[in-house]
Amino acid sequence: GIQVEQSPPDLILQEGANSTLRCNFSDSVNNLQWFHQNPWGQLINLFYIPSGTKQNGRLSATTVATERYSLLYISSSQTTDSGVYFCAVTRQAGTALIFGKGTTLSVSS
Amino acid sequence: DGGITQSPKYLFRKEGQNVTLSCEQNLNHDAMYWYRQDPGQGLRLIYYSQIVNDFQKGDIAEGYSVSREKKESFPLTVTSAQKNPTAFYLCASRRGGDQRNIQYFGAGTRLSVL
Repeated sequence: GIQVEQSPPDLILQEGANSTLRCNFSDSVNNLQWFHQNPWGQLINLFYIPSGTKQNGRLSATTVATERYSLLYISSSQTTDSGVYFCAVTRQAGTALIFGKGTTLSVSS
Repeated sequence: DGGITQSPKYLFRKEGQNVTLSCEQNLNHDAMYWYRQDPGQGLRLIYYSQIVNDFQKGDIAEGYSVSREKKESFPLTVTSAQKNPTAFYLCASRRGGDQRNIQYFGAGTRLSVL
């Protein structure tokens, strides 16, 4: 089945710093979603981005489908950005998401 | 408010006991999913259902059972056959016919063994 790898596994930042999280996937996908899991465990949808670039405030994401990777950019990080960021993909409509192991981000003030 | 409600937030299971986790959605979504998350890991699929009265096993279905009698509800039973049930359980749903396949998640249930 399709493999999803995220890097780095852990990231520690000072407030105000920028960061880039990477997601590599082993096959073509019809869906790629980025999630933020907050300290209470809630998974929050950040982006649906099987290809192209999107921006939402301080967050942006780019997926290069032909090269099978996606990047999540966090600018001017805040302590509330702390948590685990997951990338998840599906190969075709109707199937379940396949998750990477996540990147744990810690932002300190 | 529209959304996915999981209950309870915390659940404790005694040895040999079956427990049921609730997942209800009022989004009118056709498909529902159950995932398991272990510490430091991503989510893994337990069961999913595309329509009422139909469901399929995921990657780690052993020791679990589900039912889908109503569109809004997809309860998960953790049976005594599941030897390592301590984990965080997340339910998700997806709108039928959504070719983008976007899934939305509930707040989760933490299950521990006494």
